[in-house]
Amino acid sequence: DAGVTQSPTHLIKTRGQQVTLRCSPKSGHDTVSWYQQALGQGPQFIFQYYEEEERQRGNFPDRFSGHQFPNYSSELNVNALLLGDSALYLCASSLAREDSTEAFFGQGTRLTVV
Amino acid sequence: LAKTTQPISMDSYEGQEVNITCSHNNIATNDYITWYQQFPSQGPRFIIQGYKTKVTNEVASLFIPADRKSSTLSLPRVSLSDTAVYYCLVGDGAYSGAGSYQLTFGKGTKLSVIP
Repeated sequence: DAGVTQSPTHLIKTRGQQVTLRCSPKSGHDTVSWYQQALGQGPQFIFQYYEEEERQRGNFPDRFSGHQFPNYSSELNVNALLLGDSALYLCASSLAREDSTEAFFGQGTRLTVV
Repeated sequence: LAKTTQPISMDSYEGQEVNITCSHNNIATNDYITWYQQFPSQGPRFIIQGYKTKVTNEVASLFIPADRKSSTLSLPRVSLSDTAVYYCLVGDGAYSGAGSYQLTFGKGTKLSVIP
């Protein structure tokens, strides 16, 4: 089992551009969440996808959007990039369960906006 | 969402037991208490989850007093490889019925294990 895989691992974009990050969840997992982690801070919840729908959303602007595909993989899109969007973007997969807070995280995509 | 408070940093020698305490005074009745570990340039890793009393797994123990306003993560006989940031998470307890819990991370406790 490859676990959660994210691509690319590193990315450099120019302010104003758009970016797409990709995530393949752990085998058997049906829920994908995305987090943004700035240097020295804990991860911040962006949104969560389940059954191809956005189910929960954190305090992020509409420039951040996503998608979940029938095979449970997911994409995170960020439009009109700002310098402040530079961060480590983490994908986490989990099973939709009421009795568990366990999620499996990928290694992340390091996005630098210049 | 219940707010958590934990020490910013801790130092420990190899082989010692480490206890990291987290305060969560506003925890809701249905909230779980969860701890994650994160190494530099990696995603967080689930350590343990509990609701009340004591939970133990192969990695750590979690002690939760009766009032549930705090919890203590106990790492037995730490090694250099346990140097990491440890996050205490407490949710809002409301399971939506679709998907998983939203995880709310604070700044965590940076544990440094000294040889």
